[in-house]
Amino acid sequence: EAQVTQNPRYLITVTGKKLTVTCSQNMNHEYMSWYRQDPGLGLRQIYYSMNVEVTDKGDVPEGYKVSRKEKRNFPLILESPSPNQTSLYFCASRPPGLVNVGEQFFGPGTRLTVL
Amino acid sequence: GNSVTQMEGPVTLSEEAFLTINCTYTATGYPSLFWYVQYPGEGLQLLLKATKADDKGSNKGFEATYRKETTSFHLEKGSVQVSDSAVYFCALSGSNDYKLSFGAGTTVTVRA
Repeated sequence: EAQVTQNPRYLITVTGKKLTVTCSQNMNHEYMSWYRQDPGLGLRQIYYSMNVEVTDKGDVPEGYKVSRKEKRNFPLILESPSPNQTSLYFCASRPPGLVNVGEQFFGPGTRLTVL
Repeated sequence: GNSVTQMEGPVTLSEEAFLTINCTYTATGYPSLFWYVQYPGEGLQLLLKATKADDKGSNKGFEATYRKETTSFHLEKGSVQVSDSAVYFCALSGSNDYKLSFGAGTTVTVRA
C-alpha cells in the first residue's frame, strides 16, 4: 500500500529536550515536505526537499532542522523545542514536476505538545 | 504572494442538506486549485482539483468550478452524509511555483 508514515503519532515533551519526528514514504517520491497545522492558520510549510541532499526553507523554518540522506526518509528535528512549537505536524510527499504540485500524499500526523 | 481565503467555520448541517464552502484566492498568472479533506485523526487527502479556468473538479459527489473572473473555487455537495464530517482545505499552486498554499480550513459536521 502506498503510504507516508510518521512516528511518533503523539509526543509530549519538555522545553529544550531535543526530539526527532520520523517520516518515511514508499512511493519513490523525490519531493517531500513538512507542515504544521494550527487552528485558524491552516497548514504552513516548514521545510521541503526536492531530492536527496537538497533541502530548503518553507514559510516557518525557525526552530526546525531537516535532513534528506535517503529518498524515502525525511526526519524533522527540533533541537530545542519551545511551547510555541506545540502543533500538529504533517509530512507529505509527491511525484516530481510542476504538474504534480497538488498531488501530495500526507502522513497521519504527529501531535506534539511542548510543556 | 499567493494566498487562499476560506469561509470560517465551523459549519453544522443535517444529513441530505446542501453544502457550500466558499474559497477565494489571490495569485498571479494561472494557478491550479485544489480541495483537500481531512477526516478525524487522519492526514489530508486530495479531494478534487482544477488546473485552468472554467474547469470543474469532482469527486465523491463534491464539485468545484475554477472561476477566474471571481477568483473563486467554491466547494459544493448536493446531499451530505454523516461520513462527510471533516475539515476541508482549499489550496493553490502558482503557475511556476512548487509550493502549495493552503487556506485556514473549514470544519464541517453533519448530523444524522
